[in-house]
Amino acid sequence: AQKVTQAQTEISVVEKEDVTLDCVYETRDTTYYLFWYKQPPSGELVFLIRRNSFDEQNEISGRYSWNFQKSTSSFNFTITASQVVDSAVYFCALSEADTGGFKTIFGAGTRLFVKA
Amino acid sequence: DAMVIQNPRYQVTQFGKPVTLSCSQTLNHNVMYWYQQKSSQAPKLLFHYYDKDFNNEADTPDNFQSRRPNTSFCFLDIRSPGLGDAAMYLCATSRVPQGQETQYFGPGTRLLVL
Repeated sequence: AQKVTQAQTEISVVEKEDVTLDCVYETRDTTYYLFWYKQPPSGELVFLIRRNSFDEQNEISGRYSWNFQKSTSSFNFTITASQVVDSAVYFCALSEADTGGFKTIFGAGTRLFVKA
Repeated sequence: DAMVIQNPRYQVTQFGKPVTLSCSQTLNHNVMYWYQQKSSQAPKLLFHYYDKDFNNEADTPDNFQSRRPNTSFCFLDIRSPGLGDAAMYLCATSRVPQGQETQYFGPGTRLLVL
């Protein structure tokens, strides 16, 4: 069965601090996909990144970086030099084959507060 | 800009009074999803349409129904809302229902049941 765990419920940092959001997943499939979404107070989930299970290369996009490690089933997300606009709930998600297609499961989310 | 639109953004209904939430998309995607998100919880998939094919999640209550009259529109009908159905309802789309496909979300409709 698939499962996504985001152990950090809330994180509070001061602007310009670096912060890492943890994501640990469980799956029996060899082919699966991992996502990070951002949900600002407006409510809309915004896609940040997708990673497939065969690509363990870490990725950097501006102040955002992702560390995918299959050995520990983790897909952690780091924000460098955080800004107030980064305040949001961040969801990690896992998509894998299920009866009739694919199914996406979201973690419980980590609420990030960035204080000025 | 191409997008996923949900109306209304806030909906108040009475206990037991049917309510319909709407979603439209300009992305021309084949798949439309409805998620329920309760306060401080993860989005939970209720069902999705792949073109005209309806796919219901096993644990979605019968109280929740959906209609997709055309590619652009999809509706969520709650036949007899209970207090426990108060939540944010998110509509999303993707090109096809494959694992690697990114889902594009609307802003959500927050439902309050009195």
